[in-house]
Amino acid sequence: QITLKESGPTLVKPTQTLTLTCTFSGFSLSTSGVGVGWIRQPPGKALEWLALIYWDDDKRYSPSLKSRLTITKDTSKNQVVLTMTNMDPVDTATYYCAHHKSTVTMWAYDYWGQGTLVTVSS
Amino acid sequence: QSALTQPASVSGSPGQSITISCTGTSSDVGSYNLVSWYQQHPGKAPKLMIYEGSKRPSGVSNRFSGSKSGNTASLTISGLQAEDEADYYCCSYAGSSPWVFGGGTKLTVL
Repeated sequence: QITLKESGPTLVKPTQTLTLTCTFSGFSLSTSGVGVGWIRQPPGKALEWLALIYWDDDKRYSPSLKSRLTITKDTSKNQVVLTMTNMDPVDTATYYCAHHKSTVTMWAYDYWGQGTLVTVSS
Repeated sequence: QSALTQPASVSGSPGQSITISCTGTSSDVGSYNLVSWYQQHPGKAPKLMIYEGSKRPSGVSNRFSGSKSGNTASLTISGLQAEDEADYYCCSYAGSSPWVFGGGTKLTVL
């Protein structure tokens, strides 16, 4: 079965760079139509899409955060890494990674990790 | 890219039906049949309930259904049950943007 798990620091200081790792199992990021995305949710607020990387290394970013985000994959380790620069307290949120399927049978984020809460504070 | 517009809250009694709307623009909901709906219980990760506007993943109750008209997508839950009480989010592919979520709707089962 497909599982994903986010890992990284729980606390970062303002202006620092956040690095989050999504470690997954049950699928390969070299399979056509597969992607892994990142979505965040500030406490008590809505989901916000951040970035996605596809099996072919195509990368997509939120236009409003593009200058601060980098997404990469390590297919051999079954990991996807998201970096976000210049962190601010407004970036405090639970960060989720999710499996994206873009095939003729499904186009959606169908499996999600449990999320990791990142607090930005000095 | 602005968030899709959802009502902040809806409510219904057990056994009733409710509908949650998700209004976007001709650049997202109106252009693509790629709206998905997610259910989120407190402290839990979102769960896919509907994809491509009206399709249900395996294991999701047929009490959940989706539709779209123009720039507005809708999620209908029939035969409301206590366990349906949760937050619901719509999400649409938006081309160059490329994904946008709704602001979320809190469903209360009275």
